Amino acid sequence: GQNIDQPTEMTATEGAIVQINCTYQTSGFNGLFWYQQHAGEAPTFLSYNVLDGLEEKGRFSSFLSRSKGYSYLLLKELQMKDSASYLCAALDSNYQLIWGAGTKLIIKP
Amino acid sequence: GAVVSQHPSRVICKSGTSVKIECRSLDFQATTMFWYRQFPKQSLMLMATSNEGSKATYEQGVEKDKFLINHASLTLSTLTVTSAHPEDSSFYICSARDGGEGGEGPQETQYFGPGTRLLVL
Repeated sequence: GQNIDQPTEMTATEGAIVQINCTYQTSGFNGLFWYQQHAGEAPTFLSYNVLDGLEEKGRFSSFLSRSKGYSYLLLKELQMKDSASYLCAALDSNYQLIWGAGTKLIIKP
Repeated sequence: GAVVSQHPSRVICKSGTSVKIECRSLDFQATTMFWYRQFPKQSLMLMATSNEGSKATYEQGVEKDKFLINHASLTLSTLTVTSAHPEDSSFYICSARDGGEGGEGPQETQYFGPGTRLLVL
């Protein structure tokens, strides 16, 4: 079957760095997305990786290893507004998004 | 670019009534739209995939006669929850895929509307 695994919850300190991991098993693979979802709101697009390596976008970076079925989202210089759920989603061979359950990130002052 | 609106944002209705939710892509044409529901502290659950001009494809376990989807144009899809019951209370979110290059991500990126919170009494 198809499966996405990511931690349920993580806690980090304001100003620090946090890495949210995601492993995936899909029928075929056409890329991996990260979305941010604040409580009570809809998800917003953060990043997309289809090739191995690191994609940097401001304070957020996303990494992909296709051979390992692994990705991570790296958040630097954490701010209180980064408190949210982070959703990992893989695009399978039918271009259907397979969603993880999300990682709730709690930022403490 | 790639802005999606959803209306209403919140609705309260009596059990047995029907509720229509609209999803619009404001600055792009969306050949494909998706409808999700999300229960508190749970992940997104895909209900159906809607393609303009054709019947929606429903996920296993989703009743197509209860959740009517109409994708009549390239910018509008509607979800009607018929004969709503308290167990249908949830957060309903639509998303649209921009087949062009108007958004930040690749053409497979889904852009989400703000969601509709449905409460059935």
